[in-house]
Amino acid sequence: QSVLTQPPSVSAAPGQKVTISCSGASSNIGTNYVSWYQQFPGTAPKLLIYDDDERPSGIPDRFSGSKSGTSATLGITGLHTGDEADYYCGTWDNTLSIYVFGTGTKVTVL
Amino acid sequence: QVQLQESGPGLVKPSQTLSLTCTVSSGSIRSGGFYWGWIRQHPGKGLEWIGHIYFSGNTYYSSSLKSRVTISVDTSKNQFSLNLTSVTAADTAMYYCARVKMATTNFFDYWGQGTLVTVSS
Repeated sequence: QSVLTQPPSVSAAPGQKVTISCSGASSNIGTNYVSWYQQFPGTAPKLLIYDDDERPSGIPDRFSGSKSGTSATLGITGLHTGDEADYYCGTWDNTLSIYVFGTGTKVTVL
Repeated sequence: QVQLQESGPGLVKPSQTLSLTCTVSSGSIRSGGFYWGWIRQHPGKGLEWIGHIYFSGNTYYSSSLKSRVTISVDTSKNQFSLNLTSVTAADTAMYYCARVKMATTNFFDYWGQGTLVTVSS
């Protein structure tokens, strides 16, 4: 069972924007940095955002991260079919002393 | 660029021990500020963290798996390993190893391609 809650799916038309929420608690998102991962079917997850809003080298600025209180958000602008994937948030939980992933969100381009 | 590669049996019998190794290349497992972790994903499900290890041997484990998991490191081989005892069908999953940036932050920046482990007699 995950302590970080994400919507099961989000969708939008090509070129539009989607946002994915990640809801947690003071012991995890409220205290620690959040990272986001992109996973295409049959492949390993890939780091998309770290430290709430930082992009690794090579990740386009269409992807953005933000955080407020105990929730984090991943935004994807200029959506295209290549963005169809599963997206996971993750962070450390101080109370449980474990790393926690979100429940995952499937992005569909209509 | 750091590369990680999982290896180990793809089929394990129930009640036996699942053993996987992750070989790190193009980087040292002794790099400061990085832990080395295992994550699994049940078929069609989300990501589940298993545990991290530092090259010194310091470990963190998932509370739900802690009684059955051991993660170890072999710095001479630039490898770290996962042992999961008393497996059942519920342990059938894709297992990934990854490098973990862990200091004031925690994130997985490099991942192996994953290895599918099936628990079945």
